[in-house]
Amino acid sequence: DVKVTQSSRYLVKRTGEKVFLECVQDMDHENMFWYRQDPGLGLRLIYFSYDVKMKEKGDIPEGYSVSREKKERFSLILESASTNQTSMYLCASLTSGVAGELFFGEGSRLTVL
Amino acid sequence: RKEVEQDPGPFNVPEGATVAFNCTYSNSASQSFFWYRQDCRKEPKLLMSVYSSGNEDGRFTAQLNRASQYISLLIRDSKLSDSATYLCVVILSSNTGKLIFGQGTTLQVKP
Repeated sequence: DVKVTQSSRYLVKRTGEKVFLECVQDMDHENMFWYRQDPGLGLRLIYFSYDVKMKEKGDIPEGYSVSREKKERFSLILESASTNQTSMYLCASLTSGVAGELFFGEGSRLTVL
Repeated sequence: RKEVEQDPGPFNVPEGATVAFNCTYSNSASQSFFWYRQDCRKEPKLLMSVYSSGNEDGRFTAQLNRASQYISLLIRDSKLSDSATYLCVVILSSNTGKLIFGQGTTLQVKP
């Protein structure tokens, strides 16, 4: 079974802190994604990566950066956390091909005080 | 106009009912279509892919209408355990990784 693991299920941070969210997948997938999910807004794409060291902005990249130094690991970085970044963050990886399946991690619920 | 639109619901139905959800998409170049299920406080999981010819998996039937640019999900004989949020996902291109999620439709099946 494909496994996507997110490092932290729950985090509480203060405004201005730097936050790292880590995601690891064990199936050698090339495509990986970071989403945030908020009530009434659904899932919104922050960044995605289709290969090591490659990254593309999603729909809401402002305030975030990412790192993909190894194929299995895709990290989301909040350089200076703000209260409007309080959200559920979901990492996903995608199997190859037109009919690719997206596998999600369990999510990281971040609260910024 | 949103790229992928769903009626957020909630749809409240009794056990045993048949319920259908639609999802419209705006980009005619969309390649692949899926329904995901998300339980409360859990991550989304693939329910089924949607093929041009339509496909069925037990009580669930998914259909694609390219001419009208929508996909549908039909659930027959609803069970209490079907209560969840159903997310429509459209892939524009698997090479670029452009996936678009609908907002989700919430289903509550009542005894």
